[in-house]
Amino acid sequence: DAGITQSPRHKVTETGTPVTLRCHQTENHRYMYWYRQDPGHGLRLIHYSYGVKDTDKGEVSDGYSVSRSKTEDFLLTLESATSSQTSVYFCAISYGGPRGTGELFFGEGSRLTVL
Amino acid sequence: QQQVKQSPQSLIVQKGGIPIINCAYENTAFDYFPWYQQFPGKGPALLIAIRPDVSEKKEGRFTISFNKSAKQFSLHIMDSQPGDSATYFCAASGGAGSYQLTFGKGTKLSVIP
Repeated sequence: DAGITQSPRHKVTETGTPVTLRCHQTENHRYMYWYRQDPGHGLRLIHYSYGVKDTDKGEVSDGYSVSRSKTEDFLLTLESATSSQTSVYFCAISYGGPRGTGELFFGEGSRLTVL
Repeated sequence: QQQVKQSPQSLIVQKGGIPIINCAYENTAFDYFPWYQQFPGKGPALLIAIRPDVSEKKEGRFTISFNKSAKQFSLHIMDSQPGDSATYFCAASGGAGSYQLTFGKGTKLSVIP
């Protein structure tokens, strides 16, 4: 298994509270991604990072922010959680970018429930 | 705007059958087309991938067929087994500066003994 650890793996929170999900990698890969997975929607990209302090928005970035202060850590923050953000969140890493293989290695997911 | 359309949403086949999952894309800049396999409770994992310079790629029992003119690609699983029961996602990426994989919505495959 690729060295990717997501925490927490499960979290239940209330509407309006802040939530931070953490992704930690031991592979020293440059690229890191946060996806959400919902029934009927597949995997949708929230934010990604192409280096320390270099991040950009994905397809569904509204309501989310990210930070990457070290190569190994990529944080996803919900400033004020809403019920529509109930989902399974996957972190992924890749070695190569546009000219690489493009292969993503995924973590095991963080299940977030917003009541 | 959905850039990768995947069908069917679900598929049930008997052991030994050949399930086929289809994907279509719109962005002609895409130049990398992987398939990911996901078991319940796990993250997706790369199964097989193809680039548009070839029309077919085989890895074991898994084959990707690619039709560049139609902007379509498909996954075939030969001699399917119950252990192949999983959700399969097609994806695409490419174009200058593209760091992103765009995924289809997934196909839940069940292989019945």
